[in-house]
Amino acid sequence: GQQVMQIPQYQHVQEGEDFTTYCNSSTTLSNIQWYKQRPGGHPVFLIQLVKSGEVKKQKRLTFQFGEAKKNSSLHITATQTTDVGTYFCAPVGASKLTFGTGTRLQVTL
Amino acid sequence: EADIYQTPRYLVIGTGKKITLECSQTMGHDKMYWYQQDPGMELHLIHYSYGVNSTEKGDLSSESTVSRIRTEHFPLTLESARPSHTSQYLCASSGRGISYEQYFGPGTRLTVT
Repeated sequence: GQQVMQIPQYQHVQEGEDFTTYCNSSTTLSNIQWYKQRPGGHPVFLIQLVKSGEVKKQKRLTFQFGEAKKNSSLHITATQTTDVGTYFCAPVGASKLTFGTGTRLQVTL
Repeated sequence: EADIYQTPRYLVIGTGKKITLECSQTMGHDKMYWYQQDPGMELHLIHYSYGVNSTEKGDLSSESTVSRIRTEHFPLTLESARPSHTSQYLCASSGRGISYEQYFGPGTRLTVT
């Protein structure tokens, strides 16, 4: 089955620092979605990437889809405490999503 | 905010008991999903449904069963709970097509003693 690894597993940053999480797949992906889960909460959809090399921005968040469609990244500029949570990539398969291992982000003042 | 509900939110139950976790959505979504998630870990798909009378097993083997008699309702049943079933169970739904975003319910945190 499809395997999706995210790195790092955990990152602790000071508020104002940048943060990046990477999602790597063993197979070529059709689409990929990103979700955020706050501590004690449920996953919330952030974005979907479809095209090779696609870059999308949401305020301080920048999402990229690799040229070969085997990897993706999420970059947060100038983190804030509200960014705390776990970020999951989720490649879209033929009939379902496969969630990545997730990257837990901790932000301190 | 998505209209997808799960009850109960928390459940502590003894080994051997039968339990049903409820999930309902009012968005008219055809696709519904059940995920199992241990604290701080990834989500594992255990069941999904494309519509009424359609159910499929997910990637993670589970002793639970599901039914889809009505579009809005997708309950999950454990016939005989065991401590290994202790986990959080998240229900989700999405519109037509797998590329549609999934909306998650608040989850049921199950503890089997």
